[in-house]
Amino acid sequence: GENVEQHPSTLSVQEGDSAVIKCTYSDSASNYFPWYKQELGKRPQLIIDIRSNVGEKKDQRIAVTLNKTAKHFSLHITETQPEDSAVYFCAASPGSARQLTFGSGTQLTVLP
Amino acid sequence: NAGVTQTPKFQVLKTGQSMTLQCAQDMNHNSMYWYRQDPGMGLRLIYYSASEGTTDKGEVPNGYNVSRLNKREFSLRLESAAPSQTSVYFCASSEPYTDTQYFGPGTRLTVL
Repeated sequence: GENVEQHPSTLSVQEGDSAVIKCTYSDSASNYFPWYKQELGKRPQLIIDIRSNVGEKKDQRIAVTLNKTAKHFSLHITETQPEDSAVYFCAASPGSARQLTFGSGTQLTVLP
Repeated sequence: NAGVTQTPKFQVLKTGQSMTLQCAQDMNHNSMYWYRQDPGMGLRLIYYSASEGTTDKGEVPNGYNVSRLNKREFSLRLESAAPSQTSVYFCASSEPYTDTQYFGPGTRLTVL
């Protein structure tokens, strides 16, 4: 089955700096890669996703890049703000089965 | 439009007791999922249902059973709870053709 590794497990940045979280996956059949943000005590919420026919996708301060050859994808957050502090999860899916395999999460702390 | 709802929000059980976690969605989604979330381990798929009348095992199905009662409802049953099942349980549903998953608010279960 699919295996997703996520790094780093914790990340602290100064407000206004950029943050990058990286994930690798093992199943070359995976073709859907979402990122979820989870605030303390809340449900995971989708913030951005990318499919394997696209190399990069941006939504305001958030971008995701995908390298299919190397089987890794990354989340980039620019101009970080304190409200960006949360746990971020990457995931991968082979699509047809519609199952998501999640990474272990990154605790992002934005220091004011 | 409530999205994905779960009951109860919190539950404490003794070892060996049974209980059913309820999940419902009002978004007319075909696919529904049950995950458990443990510290440092991300979300792990327990069972999923691609459509009404079908269920399949995920990564960690042992000790659980599910019922897809109708298109809206997907329940998770613990027949004989064990301390290892102490976790936060999330239900999710996904849109047809997009794989985007929407999560419920979660049930925090403690087994003593």
